[in-house]
Amino acid sequence: QQQVRQSPQSLTVWEGETAILNCSYEDSTFDYFPWYHQFPGESPALLIAIRPVSNKKEDGRFTIFFNKREKKFSLHIADSQPGDSATYFCAAVDTNAYKVIFGKGTHLHVLP
Amino acid sequence: DTTVKQNPRYKLARVGKPVNLICSQTMNHDTMYWYQKKPNQAPKLLLFYYDKILNREADTFEKFQSSRPNNSFCSLYIGSAGLEYSAMYLCASSRDRQGDTEVFFGKGTRLTVV
Repeated sequence: QQQVRQSPQSLTVWEGETAILNCSYEDSTFDYFPWYHQFPGESPALLIAIRPVSNKKEDGRFTIFFNKREKKFSLHIADSQPGDSATYFCAAVDTNAYKVIFGKGTHLHVLP
Repeated sequence: DTTVKQNPRYKLARVGKPVNLICSQTMNHDTMYWYQKKPNQAPKLLLFYYDKILNREADTFEKFQSSRPNNSFCSLYIGSAGLEYSAMYLCASSRDRQGDTEVFFGKGTRLTVV
């Protein structure tokens, strides 16, 4: 199956710091890159997404940086809050085959 | 209502017995998916329906069956459960086949095979 690699597996930051989560992919057929977050007991939910025509997408404190040449993308969470503590999944979508391939997830802990 | 409902939330099954998991959505979404999630692993796509067309992943082709009798309902069927099937099973749906529409997930069914 097509791979999406995500790191780190676990990340702890202090409130107010910027958390950086990283993903990479191999297959050039991927053309849409969403990030999901999941709180305990809840479903994964879409947080923010980007298409390769852009190298940056912002939504409030959340920013995706995308490097098409290196096949890497990252999620930056500025001014992290304890309420941001969750598991974050990156994903890559092949819109022609319509497959959503997920990374393993990053467990983010924001300490007050 | 933007929820995807899965039943049951927890399922206990015996080795060798069949398992049927149920998912529904009322958003009139074209596509419904099943993912398998094990601890510290990525959600693994098992299969998806686009309308009435079933697409199964090559490496899970023979292990999982599914049916979609109408737009709202989709099931995942395991004919003979093995210990390796113990996992969280996530159902999801999206509006159409193009990947840039939001995918909505259910809360999952945690299957334990003993």
